[in-house]
Amino acid sequence: EAQVTQNPRYLITVTGKKLTVTCSQNMNHEYMSWYRQDPGLGLRQIYYSMNVEVTDKGDVPEGYKVSRKEKRNFPLILESPSPNQTSLYFCASSKYRGPGEKLFFGSGTQLSVL
Amino acid sequence: GENVEQHPSTLSVQEGDSAVIKCTYSDSASNYFPWYKQELGKGPQLIIDIRSNVGEKKDQRIAVTLNKTAKHFSLHITETQPEDSAVYFCAASKGRRDKIIFGKGTRLHILP
Repeated sequence: EAQVTQNPRYLITVTGKKLTVTCSQNMNHEYMSWYRQDPGLGLRQIYYSMNVEVTDKGDVPEGYKVSRKEKRNFPLILESPSPNQTSLYFCASSKYRGPGEKLFFGSGTQLSVL
Repeated sequence: GENVEQHPSTLSVQEGDSAVIKCTYSDSASNYFPWYKQELGKGPQLIIDIRSNVGEKKDQRIAVTLNKTAKHFSLHITETQPEDSAVYFCAASKGRRDKIIFGKGTRLHILP
């Protein structure tokens, strides 16, 4: 089954404790992206990757890191989480980036930073 | 850069009635307009899309219309059912390799 898998689904942590949210897709997609969803703000892009070893900042990259060492995986790293990073996070992928390319989303990771 | 405005933020309709969600975009070069549906506890999922060379597209109970001159597009859901309750996002994008811009979302409640 074609899917984007994120883990964990729920995560509670404390300020400053490094964490990684994993994302994997099984569709051989070139394009992968991370979004955060906050009430009243919709979906905002954090980072994206056009292909292996190619990553770039989205609209809200501060406090986040990503890597794309393999085509299928695109982990999101929070080196020193802060309470304002409490949010619902989604990983997404598509074959390419551009008009007409359907984005496939993971089921989300609800992160709480205390 | 592109900006997508979506209204209303919340919409409640009686089961069986129609629902309309409207979006406007700022960049006249945008040429692709998808709609995503996010059910509770799940990620958004593409439900319908339209390209700028088409004025209307239908898929069973849902339809999308596009007015390029006014730079707005709308999602229409007819004969609403309980399973239509969800958050809906409109979006816009343009040339290849350009990013997709999402509206802020509309929470649709279908009332029994």
